[in-house]
Formats: sequence, C-alpha cells, structure tokens
Amino acid sequence: AQSVTQLDSQVPVFEEAPVELRCNYSSSVSVYLFWYVQYPNQGLQLLLKYLSGSTLVESINGFEAEFNKSQTSFHLRKPSVHISDTAEYFCAVSEDGSTLGRLYFGRGTQLTVWP
Amino acid sequence: DTAVSQTPKYLVTQMGNDKSIKCEQNLGHDTMYWYKQDSKKFLKIMFSYNNKELIINETVPNRFSPKSPDKAHLNLHINSLELGDSAVYFCASSSHAQDNQPQHFGDGTRLSIL
Repeated sequence: AQSVTQLDSQVPVFEEAPVELRCNYSSSVSVYLFWYVQYPNQGLQLLLKYLSGSTLVESINGFEAEFNKSQTSFHLRKPSVHISDTAEYFCAVSEDGSTLGRLYFGRGTQLTVWP
Repeated sequence: DTAVSQTPKYLVTQMGNDKSIKCEQNLGHDTMYWYKQDSKKFLKIMFSYNNKELIINETVPNRFSPKSPDKAHLNLHINSLELGDSAVYFCASSSHAQDNQPQHFGDGTRLSIL
C-alpha cells in the first residue's frame, strides 16, 4: 500500500508571497500523481495531475508541481498567492498497473493567505 | 448541471437510526467511489464499484452497505448509526478504474449523529 506524506499540516502566508506545499510518497513502482483542492464546505476539485511526459505540470490558476522520481516527491508551488487560494490541499497517488483506481491521499495542508 | 451530485447535503440524526445517502453522476463514468473524511480531514476510501461490480471493499463495518442499481448511481446505506459515524461522506467517479484518470468528487454529505 502507498503512503503519502504531506509534511506541513498548515501553511500561513501573506498575499503575493510564494508558497510551496510538500508531498512525498512511498512507492517504488510507477505512479500517477494528483493535487486536489478543497474549499470550505465543498468537495475536492482536481488542481493538476502528472500521468506521464514532462515532469513539470501546471494548472490554469498559476500553480505548478514537479514530479521528482528520485526523491519520490510531487511538491506544489505558486510564485504569488492570492487570498482566494486559501483552502485545503490534498496530494494523492495511484499506482500504475492497478485495476482498482485506488487513490491514496495525504492528510492535507491547510493554506491560509493573509492580506 | 452538476457532474457528481449527492443528497442530502446535511444529515442530522440520532444514534441507532438507519439512513441512506444517494449519489448520481452524469459523466458517463464506469467507476464510482465512497470516501469518508473525518474531523481531521483525513480521506479514506470505503468502497468502489466498476460497472455495478464491487471492486474495493475496505475494512468498513458491515453496517455500511453500498448499492449500485446502475453505473450512474452508487448509494450508501448505513444501519444502526453510531457516534463515530459522524463525518463527511464523499462520492466520486472516474472514467475507468484501470485508467488511473482523475476522480470527480461530489460536494459531500455532512452526517452528524446526536
């Protein structure tokens, strides 16, 4: 079974500052990687994904994440955050070759952006 | 035009009661899931169905019984509710379990046991 670690449970930052949310996973097999965002009282929304190809993936709202196979990491970054980015962020992993579509989630990182 | 819809959004009931949560997806997906999110926001998969067939059944009390009448619907019935069942329950769907494509989530059902 996979283990997904999000090292920071809470990350407070000021508006327009850069931010990095860290994610590490345990698998030694090929994986697919996802970041989901959850706004208060809502479900999870896909922010970005790595399935194959370029190790740097970007979202439409300025977030990016880089897949680092040697460090088994998929950290999420944004160069300048907005107050509207305040939300809970979840890293998730699924294993290549799995026929079950099982997603393993980290425990989440609460990003709070202050004015 | 919600892709994955759950009803009800809020459910407040007493210990010992039986309740159901419904989920429907209009994405044409083959696979549907139920997750439980606890008070610390940890997400844990409970069940998954692929084309109405149960493919994931985690260590969940047998008071929880999923039912999939067709591949667009996955309902969750809970018998003899306990205090520890209080949580947010999310339904999700994906195109095919073996594709490892992203899952689409509903807005959740907030279950509170009195």
